[in-house]
Amino acid sequence: GIQVEQSPPDLILQEGANSTLRCNFSDSVNNLQWFHQNPWGQLINLFYIPSGTKQNGRLSATTVATERYSLLYISSSQTTDSGVYFCAVGILSGAGSYQLTFGKGTKLSVIP
Amino acid sequence: DAGITQSPRHKVTETGTPVTLRCHQTENHRYMYWYRQDPGHGLRLIHYSYGVKDTDKGEVSDGYSVSRSKTEDFLLTLESATSSQTSVYFCAISGTGVTGYTFGSGTRLTVV
Repeated sequence: GIQVEQSPPDLILQEGANSTLRCNFSDSVNNLQWFHQNPWGQLINLFYIPSGTKQNGRLSATTVATERYSLLYISSSQTTDSGVYFCAVGILSGAGSYQLTFGKGTKLSVIP
Repeated sequence: DAGITQSPRHKVTETGTPVTLRCHQTENHRYMYWYRQDPGHGLRLIHYSYGVKDTDKGEVSDGYSVSRSKTEDFLLTLESATSSQTSVYFCAISGTGVTGYTFGSGTRLTVV
């Protein structure tokens, strides 16, 4: 199956700092998503981004599908950005669905 | 998320007993998924459904069965719970075409 590696595994930031999280994957994919799991355990979809660049407020993501990696940028970090960030990739199945394979995540701690 | 609910939110059960977790959606999405989340493993796919009565196995399906008799409900059953099935279980939904996943709030299951 597809392998997904995320780096760094842990990251501590001062509030206001910027950061870049990386996701490498081992095979061509049709689907790539970034999720944020907050300290209460809820998983929130940040981006659906199989290729190209998207921005949403202070967050942006870029996927270079030909080189099999994606980057998540967090600018002007806030304490509410703390949690675990997951990258997940998938291939379109015969049934028309995408079974996502998740990386192990990057745990971000933003301190005041 | 308001369009997907999981029940129960927490459950403690004894080894050897059957357990059923429920995922209910109001989005009329075709695809539904069950994942488990364990420390050091990220999220791993247990089973998924691509329509009413259409299901298939994921990466870690041993010891689990699923059923989908209505579009809105996807049930996960642990036929005889074991301590290794202590985990947090997440349900997710996705629509047809290019869409992202939406996750439920999770069920924390403890098998003693």
